[in-house]
Amino acid sequence: GAGVSQTPSNKVTEKGKYVELRCDPISGHTALYWYRQSLGQGPEFLIYFQGTGAADDSGLPNDRFFAVRPEGSVSTLKIQRTERGDSAVYLCASSLMSLGSGANVLTFGAGSRLTVL
Amino acid sequence: AQSVTQPDIHITVSEGASLELRCNYSYGATPYLFWYVQSPGQGLQLLLKYFSGDTLVQGIKGFEAEFKRSQSSFNLRKPSVHWSDAAEYFCAGGGSSNTGKLIFGQGTTLQVKP
Repeated sequence: GAGVSQTPSNKVTEKGKYVELRCDPISGHTALYWYRQSLGQGPEFLIYFQGTGAADDSGLPNDRFFAVRPEGSVSTLKIQRTERGDSAVYLCASSLMSLGSGANVLTFGAGSRLTVL
Repeated sequence: AQSVTQPDIHITVSEGASLELRCNYSYGATPYLFWYVQSPGQGLQLLLKYFSGDTLVQGIKGFEAEFKRSQSSFNLRKPSVHWSDAAEYFCAGGGSSNTGKLIFGQGTTLQVKP
């Protein structure tokens, strides 16, 4: 597609429920990133994929968070047993991973706003 | 530890006035540096980036930024602000491994007075 697409744009759920957030990257982009942006803060790195594999998941806050990218394109961020503190905007980005040829430039989606009641 | 700091949480300028948004970084080696802008309900849009070479970089929408190694700074500037520039601005740094894993500053909210 023309840009990074994220669905849903808004999700309201109750504490303890399971949530899935989807990201459809720019066609041909090999790298995909998830960031979390809490109110009044800058985005924080969660995980990134190179192809189908998670290359770095050091930003996932705990084992309730999990992400997959089974075919190397669309990715799903999964949050189990949601807590009120998980409320944030979850941003997805993609890039042409170009190690050694300059800055790896990310293109961000509009985000999925998650509210946990 | 690596960090990016934006000292100003909120800045107000008059339309037509000049603008400078501050960004300081702390990295072991020269990082890749970026400025992004975020309008309400929108994703982050890249304004400009620095990774080597000329320390004054030009970006979109008339913005520029200057990398100053001695001051560990990468301040964003615009000579004449337009009302449409009102938004939140984020400085971000990436390590020399160039994986795209970024550390963002807290952001600076720009308000433009008519």
